Amino acid sequence: SQTIHQWPATLVQPVGSPLSLECTVEGTSNPNLYWYRQAAGRGLQLLFYSVGIGQISSEVPQNLSASRPQDRQFILSSKKLLLSDSGFYLCAWSVIGGYTEAFFGQGTRLTVV
Amino acid sequence: KQEVTQIPAALSVPEGENLVLNCSFTDSAIYNLQWFRQDPGKGLTSLLLIQSSQREQTSGRLNASLDKSSGRSTLYIAASQPGDSATYLCAVRVSSGNTGKLIFGQGTTLQVKP
Repeated sequence: SQTIHQWPATLVQPVGSPLSLECTVEGTSNPNLYWYRQAAGRGLQLLFYSVGIGQISSEVPQNLSASRPQDRQFILSSKKLLLSDSGFYLCAWSVIGGYTEAFFGQGTRLTVV
Repeated sequence: KQEVTQIPAALSVPEGENLVLNCSFTDSAIYNLQWFRQDPGKGLTSLLLIQSSQREQTSGRLNASLDKSSGRSTLYIAASQPGDSATYLCAVRVSSGNTGKLIFGQGTTLQVKP
C-alpha cells in the first residue's frame, strides 16, 4: 500500500533562517507531488506541484522554492524565512496525470518567530 | 476563476442526528470532487471521491452527491457520532492539463455532542 511521510511535524524558526521540509512517498512510482499551505482563515492553497523528477511548477509567487531530486521525494525550501511563511504545510500525492484521488501527509506546523 | 464555498462554516449537533454538509463551486468544468476530513493539527484524510460523470458515492455512513451542472455537492452523514467531530473539506479537481490541482473550500467544522 502507498504511504506518505512528512517531517518534521512541528518547527519553530527565527526570521531570516533557512527552511527545509521533506516529503517522501512509498509504494508508488512516478506520482504527481504537491505542496499546499493552510493558513488561518485562508484555507488550503497550492504552492507547488511536480509531475516528474526535476519538474517543478509554482502556483503563487512567494519566498519558498521546491525541488524533486528523486521520484518519490519532494522538498520545500526557503533561504530566508519571513513571518508570513508561518502556517501548516501539507504534502500530497496522486497517481500520474493527477485525475485520481489525492492523498495527504500529516503536515508540518511552521512557526516563524 | 474557480471558487469553492462550504456552508455552514460550523455545525453542532447531538449524537445520532443525520446531517448534511454543503459545498458549491463556481465553474462546472471539473474532473472530480473529493471530500476530506481533517482532525485538529493533523493532515487530510480522504473520505470520498466523485468523478464528474457520477452522481453519488457511498462509504459506510457517508454519502456524497454531485450535481455538476448546478455546481453543488453534499456530504450526508448518517447517525452522527462524537468521533465524527472534525473539519470537513471539499475540493474540486480543475480541468487544466495534468496537474491534478485541487481547489479547496474553507471547510465545515462539525461538533457532535454526546
